[in-house]
Order: sequence, then structure tokens, then C-alpha cells
Amino acid sequence: GAGVSQSPRYKVAKRGQDVALRCDPISGHVSLFWYQQALGQGPEFLTYFQNEAQLDKSGLPSDRFFAERPEGSVSTLKIQRTQQEDSAVYLCASSLAGRTGELFFGEGSRLTVL
Amino acid sequence: DAKTTQPTSMDCAEGRAANLPCNHSTISGNEYVYWYRQIHSQGPQYIIHGLKNNETNEMASLIITEDRKSSTLILPHATLRDTAVYYCIVRGEASGTYKYIFGTGTRLKVLA
Repeated sequence: GAGVSQSPRYKVAKRGQDVALRCDPISGHVSLFWYQQALGQGPEFLTYFQNEAQLDKSGLPSDRFFAERPEGSVSTLKIQRTQQEDSAVYLCASSLAGRTGELFFGEGSRLTVL
Repeated sequence: DAKTTQPTSMDCAEGRAANLPCNHSTISGNEYVYWYRQIHSQGPQYIIHGLKNNETNEMASLIITEDRKSSTLILPHATLRDTAVYYCIVRGEASGTYKYIFGTGTRLKVLA
């Protein structure tokens, strides 16, 4: 596709449910980032992949958050036993390489936990 | 990673230049300054980046002070579509990754 694609765009979950958010990066992009953006705040870094390797997961807020990119392309962010504080927009971004160049962001997946 | 400081909000008249400042006094010698903007309900969009020299592209100009402790993003002729939150980011390198640390940004409102 032409840009970074994220699905679903909107997700409503009951507290305690598991959710999975998908990111399709731009074809050929090596680097992939996940960010969490709460209402009125800037994006907060969650995790970073270079190809299939998860090189940095220091931003994941708890062990309920898990991300994978098994074939170095599509990535999934999974949140287990969702809590109300998990409500946010989850942004995925990709770039050609980690060291230089711009990040291309998707439009995000808005998660609301009731 | 270096932190950045930006004003919370700014207004600019349509057709005038918008000058958005950013302080990054703890920047390291090999760290770049990036600017992104985020229009409501969209993902952030890249604008421009630089290391030491001033940079210009079709969207904006970036002026970096000689000591690199601050920079200014200039939108030469602001339009209503430039209303957005603008983020100044110093790209850090830690443990082999290159994560971008966003702050809270400057909310720019372009007035008709």
C-alpha cells in the first residue's frame, strides 16, 4: 500500500478483554515503532523493531503489553486483560532504516476500554 | 535522550510567517533535531530535520542556533490547514535503537 495501515481504526473493549492491534508498514521498511497517545498528550514510545528483531521494548507499560513482528513486515500489538488506563490511540510508524530518515505514521487505532 | 521545551500554544495570522521555537539545551553532538506535526485525528507527519546547518524544504525552514541548544521552525506563509500540534524532537540513540521522544508540542492555531 501507499502508506502505513492500521486496523482496527476503533476498538471498544470491556475491561479484562484481550485486544490485538495490527500494523501494516510501508513495503520494504526495516524499522517499525509503536507509540501510545493519551488524549491531549504527545505520543509515548512503546517498542521498536528492526526487521523481526525487537530491539527496544523499554516503553511497554506492563507485562500485559506484547508486540511481535514475526516475518519482519506486519506487526501486532497485543494487550491482555485490558484496563481503563489502556484507553488511548495506538500509533504505528515505519521507516526505511533506524538511523536516519523520517518516520511514516499510520492513522492509529483508538482503543476505548469500558 | 535530550529533552525539548516548547511553548504550549501559539496563534498566527493566515498568510504570515509562523515561527515555532524549541529549546534542547542538553542535545548531544550527534543528535538531530526533527519536527513533526499532528493534525487532529491523524498520525504525526514529518516536516523537516537538521543537525547543524539551517535546512529548507517545500514545507518549512529550520533554523538551528550555532550552539545547537535551540531551534526555530518557520512556516513562511501559514494557512488554515497548518493548524496542528507541532512537535520538536531530538532523536536519541540508546542501545542500538533510534527512538523518537515526543514532548507535548506546540498547538498552533492559524487565524483567518
